[in-house]
Amino acid sequence: GQQLNQSPQSMFIQEGEDVSMNCTSSSIFNTWLWYKQDPGEGPVLLIALYKAGELTSNGRLTAQFGITRKDSFLNISASIPSDVGIYFCAGPQIQGAQKLVFGQGTRLTINP
Amino acid sequence: DGGITQSPKYLFRKEGQNVTLSCEQNLNHDAMYWYRQDPGQGLRLIYYSQIVNDFQKGDIAEGYSVSREKKESFPLTVTSAQKNPTAFYLCASSILGPGGEAFFGQGTRLTVV
Repeated sequence: GQQLNQSPQSMFIQEGEDVSMNCTSSSIFNTWLWYKQDPGEGPVLLIALYKAGELTSNGRLTAQFGITRKDSFLNISASIPSDVGIYFCAGPQIQGAQKLVFGQGTRLTINP
Repeated sequence: DGGITQSPKYLFRKEGQNVTLSCEQNLNHDAMYWYRQDPGQGLRLIYYSQIVNDFQKGDIAEGYSVSREKKESFPLTVTSAQKNPTAFYLCASSILGPGGEAFFGQGTRLTVV
């Protein structure tokens, strides 16, 4: 099946810094989803992207659907302590039964 | 409020016992999913269902069973055949078709004692 590769696997930053993470695949996706998971909780959908080249913002978060449809990135500006968590990219598999494919996640740690 | 509810939040099981995790959604979603998450790891798909009375194995189905008798409900049974059942279990649901954003429950942390 399709696979998603997320990088970096972990990030250690200072409060106030900007963050950038990305997700790549060897095959195309028609939708890119970005989730955040707080410790001990279920993932929450942050941003959904539906069209190649689309750039979407949600507060301090900005995500883009790559032109090739094989990648996406998520930026967080001016990080704050509550941004700590695991960020996952995901996309509905195109061929076969519809199920979501997830990246391995990027763990964000912020030093105050 | 519309949403997806998992219960219980924490569950303890003796080795060798079966245990069932509950997942209910009132979002009228056709598809439902069960994922397993180990500490510091990503999400691994156990089972999924796209329609009532039908479900498919995911990547790590061994030692687990599910049923989908109602659209709203997708319980997961962790059987004694699961060798390492201690983990965080997440249930999700989504629409079928373009988009397909999944919405997750709060998770159940299962510990085998």
